[in-house]
Amino acid sequence: RKEVEQDPGPFNVPEGATVAFNCTYSNSASQSFFWYRQDCRKEPKLLMSVYSSGNEDGRFTAQLNRASQYISLLIRDSKLSDSATYLCVVNLMEYGNKLVFGAGTILRVKS
Amino acid sequence: NAGVTQTPKFQVLKTGQSMTLQCAQDMNHNSMYWYRQDPGMGLRLIYYSASEGTTDKGEVPNGYNVSRLNKREFSLRLESAAPSQTSVYFCASREAGLASYNEQFFGPGTRLTVL
Repeated sequence: RKEVEQDPGPFNVPEGATVAFNCTYSNSASQSFFWYRQDCRKEPKLLMSVYSSGNEDGRFTAQLNRASQYISLLIRDSKLSDSATYLCVVNLMEYGNKLVFGAGTILRVKS
Repeated sequence: NAGVTQTPKFQVLKTGQSMTLQCAQDMNHNSMYWYRQDPGMGLRLIYYSASEGTTDKGEVPNGYNVSRLNKREFSLRLESAAPSQTSVYFCASREAGLASYNEQFFGPGTRLTVL
């Protein structure tokens, strides 16, 4: 079983739509959680951290359920520029603060 | 600040050739990492260096070696390249410490093809 699992998609949505991505992780010792964004043929970049209380950054909302080992990302009012691969990432204290990456969910926003 | 830089951006090798991928960061981070990314898979950790002077194996270290030359630089060496090492290689750095929410910054990647 993969340590971090995501639906690979692709999610094809029209501009203005709301889209949600889910992610599950297997290691209950995971300490911190993130969503990274990766554009085609580029490096991953931090989109937002995910805190236990849930957090919001503009059109993006992240939720964490530690009991179910589940993380979500909600994007409201999708823009063309949101088209990218979204990587669910968990942090383990082993391996020098190891980040474990999901394989990513592809989002395509169309006009 | 340049952030994390990597050279080269692209490389084609023949099976059995050797090469070194270079990585440098100017953010004064203690921890540095090498990952590979293959289609349909998440980034996988090859080696990491928690601080200057230390290096350790990650999930997929076979066929690779690393050197933490100083605080800024962390190189990855393929001694005898194999087609299975065709991949995109990312270097990353992160401030160490107890704050596990510290962001990890990535370089632009090296696209390596082994024929």
